Amino acid sequence: KAGVTQTPRYLIKTRGQQVTLSCSPISGHRSVSWYQQTPGQGLQFLFEYFSETQRNKGNFPGRFSGRQFSNSRSEMNVSTLELGDSALYLCASSLAGAYQETQYFGPGTRLLVL
Amino acid sequence: QKEVEQNSGPLSVPEGAIASLNCTYSDRGSQSFFWYRQYSGKSPELIMFIYSNGDKEDGRFTAQLNKASQYVSLLIRDSQPSDSATYLCAVETGTASKLTFGTGTRLQVTL
Repeated sequence: KAGVTQTPRYLIKTRGQQVTLSCSPISGHRSVSWYQQTPGQGLQFLFEYFSETQRNKGNFPGRFSGRQFSNSRSEMNVSTLELGDSALYLCASSLAGAYQETQYFGPGTRLLVL
Repeated sequence: QKEVEQNSGPLSVPEGAIASLNCTYSDRGSQSFFWYRQYSGKSPELIMFIYSNGDKEDGRFTAQLNKASQYVSLLIRDSQPSDSATYLCAVETGTASKLTFGTGTRLQVTL
């Protein structure tokens, strides 16, 4: 079974631009969670989607948004990029996002904001 | 106080020794606990999960959970150089599918 895939793997943007990242979960998985990883803050939860609905949200500004499609693929968007948005963005999928389900991470998208 | 705390390390152990990694959490309602390993430049991969008090063994790895003391640990027996990585403790609290991570402990296994 193929793992979680993320595209693109690397991105360079400038301040003020916006960016869209994509995540395809493991086949059969319907829950997709997004995390931001930075050296200073570590891994932080952004949001989780299930059945095309955002179920959970972390403590990030509204510039960070996402969506999920009927095939469970998910995208996240960051508008008006800031230097501090430079990070590794990871998505993780699980079957249904229920308690005690394992989340499997994709390879990540490394975003550099100049 | 951070929700999930880990010693950042590095924790240096000789090859063949036991590596002990610890994690404490603040939310008593935490339900599930995961250990992920992350190699430099790679994404986290699951090592073990534990839900109940006590020990859980999987090969060279043993996870230990003590909910009364709010800590979870990971023991790696017969440590190998390939175990050198950052180990992330993740806790699932009141919200399913939302993991709160510690900052990770960097483990170095020396020859």
